[in-house]
Amino acid sequence: AQSVTQLDSQVPVFEEAPVELRCNYSSSVSVYLFWYVQYPNQGLQLLLKYLSGSTLVKGINGFEAEFNKSQTSFHLRKPSVHISDTAEYFCAVAPRNKLIFGTGTRLQVFP
Amino acid sequence: NAGVTQTPKFRVLKTGQSMTLLCAQDMNHEYMYWYRQDPGMGLRLIHYSVGEGTTAKGEVPDGYNVSRLKKQNFLLGLESAAPSQTSVYFCASTSGSTEAFFGQGTRLTVV
Repeated sequence: AQSVTQLDSQVPVFEEAPVELRCNYSSSVSVYLFWYVQYPNQGLQLLLKYLSGSTLVKGINGFEAEFNKSQTSFHLRKPSVHISDTAEYFCAVAPRNKLIFGTGTRLQVFP
Repeated sequence: NAGVTQTPKFRVLKTGQSMTLLCAQDMNHEYMYWYRQDPGMGLRLIHYSVGEGTTAKGEVPDGYNVSRLKKQNFLLGLESAAPSQTSVYFCASTSGSTEAFFGQGTRLTVV
């Protein structure tokens, strides 16, 4: 079975500080990996994705993630966060037609 | 550029009532998904479809039925609503390994 574990339910951080949101996955097959962001009262939108190739993936709004096959991780990072980055972030895997999400990490950026 | 449209946006049901949620996409996507989002549990896959006329169970299918009679529409039915089905429901579509597009959600309350 495929699953996604987001290790932190909440991450508080001050503005302009770096942040890392952790994601681990389990799968017996090759998977595609995604990070989505959800702003209040909205649907989800794609931040970035890993399909194959370079393990460092750059996305929108200055976010990037690194695929680590040996550690089965896909952690999301940003070197300097803004107040506007306050949102819920979801890691997802897409094995064989499904799209499975983690439980989410709420990023709260303080001034 | 409608993308993914969910109808209705809000609904209050009494226990035992039935209803159908409609998801429509105009991107000619093969894959469509229904999720429910509950606090602290992320998005859980209810049912999904890999093409017109096909459906499959996700992680939490009990109490729900779906139909994909037309490629652009994916219907989610609740035959006999229960308070445990109070949630926010999201529909998504994708062409495969690419970005999934989400609707704005349907907030359902069962009293």
